[in-house]
Amino acid sequence: QVQLQESGPGLVKSSQTLSLTCSVSGGSISSNDYHWNWVRQPPGKGLEWIGYINYSGSTYFNPSLKSRVSISTDTSKNQFSLKLTSVTAADTAVYYCARGQPDRGLGSWGQGTLVTVSS
Amino acid sequence: SYELTQPPSVSVSPGQTASITCSGDKLGEKYVCWYQQKPGQTPVVVIYQDTKRPSGIPERFSGSNSGNTATLTVSGTQAMDEADYYCQAWDSSIVFGGGTRLTVL
Repeated sequence: QVQLQESGPGLVKSSQTLSLTCSVSGGSISSNDYHWNWVRQPPGKGLEWIGYINYSGSTYFNPSLKSRVSISTDTSKNQFSLKLTSVTAADTAVYYCARGQPDRGLGSWGQGTLVTVSS
Repeated sequence: SYELTQPPSVSVSPGQTASITCSGDKLGEKYVCWYQQKPGQTPVVVIYQDTKRPSGIPERFSGSNSGNTATLTVSGTQAMDEADYYCQAWDSSIVFGGGTRLTVL
């Protein structure tokens, strides 16, 4: 059973860069069956997809965040990472990493990590 | 950008049928997933590819998708089904609906 675990700072200052890593166990991020996603959820609000990276390293992003987001992988560590630049209070959220399959949804999720943007 | 619209809330009596809609332009031409999220928990797929249930999801959960509307139906609703439900589709990227809180009164 695949497991995902987010890690990174829980507090980021406004205008700085948010960086998170998702460690994957029980499955390889090099598998061509899956894509590796970041999703966030502001407190008390709904889910917002941020983007994903697939086995070939191709990335796809939410158009509303595209100019500030990058996602990369480290296959040697079986990890993938998120960077979100120029953060503001609106970026305060629980950030989830998740494994997905085309047309089958995001079937496996990390527990999520709360990132607070402070001024 | 593509948008999916859900009602903010739906209420149902125990044992009755709850229907949660998700609307989007030509949504019937896309595959839709539905997620259940209980307080403090991560989302769980309850329906994928419009109508399919992952293993372990009760048969009382079903889905449909036609025209501009996808529907999640919960038959014989139980107290444990009280949760937030999100639809999700693909339109060159992944899109979530705003979510619907299902309350079992």
